[in-house]
Amino acid sequence: QVQLVQSGAEVKKTGSSVKVSCKASGGTSSSYSISWVRQAPGQGLEWMGGIIPVFGTANYAQNFQGRVTITADDSPRAAYMELSSLRSEDTAIYYCTLGTSIWGQGTLVTVSS
Amino acid sequence: EIVLTQSPATLSLSVGDRATLSCRASQSVSSSLAWFQQKPGQAPRLVVFDTSNRATGIPARFSGSGSGTDFTLSISSLEPEDFAIYYCHHRSGWPPELTFGGGTKVEIK
Repeated sequence: QVQLVQSGAEVKKTGSSVKVSCKASGGTSSSYSISWVRQAPGQGLEWMGGIIPVFGTANYAQNFQGRVTITADDSPRAAYMELSSLRSEDTAIYYCTLGTSIWGQGTLVTVSS
Repeated sequence: EIVLTQSPATLSLSVGDRATLSCRASQSVSSSLAWFQQKPGQAPRLVVFDTSNRATGIPARFSGSGSGTDFTLSISSLEPEDFAIYYCHHRSGWPPELTFGGGTKVEIK
């Protein structure tokens, strides 16, 4: 059974960057996708982008173009999401998901001045 | 860009009631529509994929239907653990682009 384990909570200053990791344990197929989804307090789910680790091919939501970078290592299997130029509105829980059927536990990122 | 609109925003029901949640897509998504359940403090959990297929471990009281632009998630008889927020979801492309509806909160009346 595959599990996704994300890095711990972060507190960041406005204007800085944050990098969240997502590590897969257990078996996965060689061709899989990892997506990043965030959820601001009391709000819905917002897709940020995704990657196919074996190819290194990433795509990004238009709302985050130029501010988010998603990378991955295929061995060990992990994905990373880096968000730059942080603002208070970026305070949210950030989730990684494998094919949308398996989700990480979420990483709370708090941005303050 | 596909937009998913869910209705109602809130559904106030009692244990044992039937719940009917709707999701409308701004353009046809064929049968590529999924539903997630989310409880406070938890990650979303896949309930139904490809319109009508229950995910692993999801009880038979959950059922999905629809095609094209109009979809429904039904819960035949609500159990206490079913009170949660439900999101519909479409994905396309590779790497996939994900779209989520705004959510329907199923609350205890």
